[in-house]
Amino acid sequence: AQSVTQLDSQVPVFEEAPVELRCNYSSSVPPYLFWYVQYPNQGLQLLLKYTSAATLVKGINGFEAEFNKSQTSFHLRKPSVHISDTAEYFCAVTEGTGFQKLVFGTGTRLLVSP
Amino acid sequence: NAGVMQNPRHLVRRRGQEARLRCSPMKGHSHVYWYRQLPEEGLKFMVYLQKENIIDESGMPKERFSAEFPKEGPSILRIQQVVRGDSAAYFCASSASTQGYEQYFGPGTRLTVT
Repeated sequence: AQSVTQLDSQVPVFEEAPVELRCNYSSSVPPYLFWYVQYPNQGLQLLLKYTSAATLVKGINGFEAEFNKSQTSFHLRKPSVHISDTAEYFCAVTEGTGFQKLVFGTGTRLLVSP
Repeated sequence: NAGVMQNPRHLVRRRGQEARLRCSPMKGHSHVYWYRQLPEEGLKFMVYLQKENIIDESGMPKERFSAEFPKEGPSILRIQQVVRGDSAAYFCASSASTQGYEQYFGPGTRLTVT
């Protein structure tokens, strides 16, 4: 079964600083990978997805992620964060022969302070 | 195009009562997924349905939980005889297809069992 590891439960950062949120997955077969953002008391919004095309994926709100097959990683980056980026970020990977289910990491809380 | 709709947004039930959670997928989407998010945890897959069919219910607890997606109307997640441990946020997602198509999430239903 797939598993997703987000080692950092919380990442504090100052506004306009760069940030990297780490994600590692377990499968030897490259699955589809996603990053979602969850603002307080809201549902999940898709930031970006990797579907075996380019290894560098650009998403919304200035985020990007790089797929690294040898390290089984899909880290999320942003060169300059805003206060409004404060939220919970979840990495997810597909599982199942038809890729129906998403397996989520435990999430990383990004705290951006002025 | 309206997003995924879930209602109610908040639901309070006493132990032993039944909880019914509704989900209307995005227009044109015929695949529905239910996930549960316990406090301070990531989302866990529960069930995947297509119209009138349960495709994968490997994440559903064996007792008290059931789901349906009828030909007409929303998908329903039903929890009978709720217990305190059922308190969680329940998210519904929908997709146009599988094979890496992103899942779009609703705002969730927050169930509190007293």
